[in-house]
Amino acid sequence: DGGITQSPKYLFRKEGQNVTLSCEQNLNHDAMYWYRQDPGQGLRLIYYSQIVNDFQKGDIAEGYSVSREKKESFPLTVTSAQKNPTAFYLCASTRGGSGDTQYFGPGTRLTVL
Amino acid sequence: AQSVTQPDIHITVSEGASLELRCNYSYGATPYLFWYVQSPGQGLQLLLKYFSGDTLVQGIKGFEAEFKRSQSSFNLRKPSVHWSDAAEYFCAVGAGGQAGTALIFGKGTTLSVSS
Repeated sequence: DGGITQSPKYLFRKEGQNVTLSCEQNLNHDAMYWYRQDPGQGLRLIYYSQIVNDFQKGDIAEGYSVSREKKESFPLTVTSAQKNPTAFYLCASTRGGSGDTQYFGPGTRLTVL
Repeated sequence: AQSVTQPDIHITVSEGASLELRCNYSYGATPYLFWYVQSPGQGLQLLLKYFSGDTLVQGIKGFEAEFKRSQSSFNLRKPSVHWSDAAEYFCAVGAGGQAGTALIFGKGTTLSVSS
């Protein structure tokens, strides 16, 4: 079955550490996205990529970094510069056409200890 | 700038009763509009979407939504709620004509269903 996988489901980080969240899709989608979800805040865009080897900052990119070396993969690194990283992180993808439906992965819950 | 407002943070509905979740958007052109549902600790699932044409859109699980341009609204409705509908619901707007751009989400409405 086609879909989006995110790993791990739960992640614990000590303060000062960088961690990388995985996002893989086998939908052959061109565009991929990372959102952060906090209670009562909805989803806020961190980074997005419309094509391999290219990506753009979203509304809350500070303290995060991404790469897009392969079409199916869009990993997110939460760096030590992110002051409040505890949140639920969602990855999504679309074919890339105007107004295309975004399909979401199951999410990764990151907790800073 | 685009924005989405979901005025109700939390709604409780009796099982079998009708449901309406409100969504208002701000966008200069014809928007692409979406409703998603999220169960606790899960990703988002698309319920329905509006691009153009008929302003009453049918979705999965018996949901429908009506696009009203004059009111900048895209309210979600269901005639009879089931206990399994308890979840968080998000309205989102996409920039028409801009391929690959991200969606703007409202802050969500949590639906509780009482027996």
